[in-house]
Amino acid sequence: AQTVTQSQPEMSVQEAETVTLSCTYDTSENNYYLFWYKQPPSRQMILVIRQEAYKQQNATENRFSVNFQKAAKSFSLKISDSQLGDTAMYFCAFMGTGTASKLTFGTGTRLQVTL
Amino acid sequence: ETGVTQSPTHLIKTRGQQVTLRCSSQSGHNTVSWYQQALGQGPQFIFQYYREEENGRGNFPPRFSGLQFPNYSSELNVNALELDDSALYLCASSRMNYGYTFGSGTRLTVV
Repeated sequence: AQTVTQSQPEMSVQEAETVTLSCTYDTSENNYYLFWYKQPPSRQMILVIRQEAYKQQNATENRFSVNFQKAAKSFSLKISDSQLGDTAMYFCAFMGTGTASKLTFGTGTRLQVTL
Repeated sequence: ETGVTQSPTHLIKTRGQQVTLRCSSQSGHNTVSWYQQALGQGPQFIFQYYREEENGRGNFPPRFSGLQFPNYSSELNVNALELDDSALYLCASSRMNYGYTFGSGTRLTVV
C-alpha cells in the first residue's frame, strides 16, 4: 500500500516571499502520478500541479513548481511570490496507474500567507 | 465545461438513519470517486466507479454503497449512520489518469 507523509502541519509566509512545502511517499510502483491539491475554506479541492513519475523534468505552473526526487521519493511544492489567496490547506497525493487507481492523500499542510 | 457539483451542501442526520449524497460529474469524465474527509485530516478513499461498475474500494464497511448512472452522475448511500460518519464527503471525477476534479463536498453531521 502507498503512504504519503506531510511533516509540516502548519507554515507561514509573508506576502511576495517563497515557501516550500514538503512531501514524501512510499510505493513499490515504478510508474505513478503525484499531485498537489489546494483546499481553501470553500472546501473544494483544487488541483495545483501534477507530476508524472516517468518524466524527470519538474512540473511548473506559473508561481508553483515542484522538486521531484524519485529515488528519494520526495515531492516538494515551491510557491513563489506568495499571495494572500494562497492561504489554504495543501495536500500532497499519490496515484498509481490503471483505471482502478485512487488518490492517496497526506494529512495536509496549513499555509498562512501574511502581510 | 461544467465542473463537479454535489448536493446537498450540508446535512444533519440522526444516528441509525440512512443518507444519500449526490454528485454530477464533469462533462466527459467517466470515472467517479468518493472520499471521506474527517475534520483536520486528508481525504480517505471510499470507492470508485468506472462506466457504472465499482472498480475499487477503500477500507469502508458495506453500509457504504454507491451507484453510477449512464450519464456518469453518482450517488453515495450510507446506511445505519454512526456518529463517526460525520465528515465532509467529496466527489471527484476523472478522465483517464490526468487527475481528479473535485466538487465542494457535502458536510454530513450525525447527531
